[in-house]
Amino acid sequence: QQQVKQSPQSLIVQKGGISIINCAYENTAFDYFPWYQQFPGKGPALLIAIRPDVSEKKEGRFTISFNKSAKQFSLHIMDSQPGDSATYFCAASDRGSNDYKLTFGKGTLLTVNP
Amino acid sequence: EPEVTQTPSHQVTQMGQEVILRCVPISNHLYFYWYRQILGQKVEFLVSFYNNEISEKSEIFDDQFSVERPDGSNFTLKIRSTKLEDSAMYFCASTGVEKLFFGSGTQLSVL
Repeated sequence: QQQVKQSPQSLIVQKGGISIINCAYENTAFDYFPWYQQFPGKGPALLIAIRPDVSEKKEGRFTISFNKSAKQFSLHIMDSQPGDSATYFCAASDRGSNDYKLTFGKGTLLTVNP
Repeated sequence: EPEVTQTPSHQVTQMGQEVILRCVPISNHLYFYWYRQILGQKVEFLVSFYNNEISEKSEIFDDQFSVERPDGSNFTLKIRSTKLEDSAMYFCASTGVEKLFFGSGTQLSVL
């Protein structure tokens, strides 16, 4: 019940295209849903996060869409750039218990071709 | 942007040896975490630490693991007797309230 399932495992997109990564969760107590970006040799860095009281959050080219009834959320990267090539992790936590005890998805390796 | 600093970046040890992984969290942060990532797998929560004590730990964090904040700046993870399956990237993280900052990690290789 603590799992967060992420797909696809890898994704290749052309420069300027839209990258879409999906996650699904089971634990209805989860109330914080961040996306992390990780470059090789670096730790995960927070990209954008959402709480279940909104269905969408946009920051620049990055948008999270959240569907509470389906227990799914997704990351959309508009106008994808080669510099966006990285591994993306979705995560979830129950902020009521331990703020950042995050349960991560398995990650998506995004490659943006020039 | 402030950074969480981890040392060493790579640690090679023999099975059964003790290792200490070191972290310097961001200076005004109060909550500290260790996560690990086995090669090709997802990032996993190990332990959280607040007010000089463990606030939560995962099933992975057994009696072989311990954490300590020996002074006002460092936060350490000790593995008493390393096993082959402890080989992983270990990430330290800290937060004030709004955002969790991760360090670049220590790659632990147990031979």
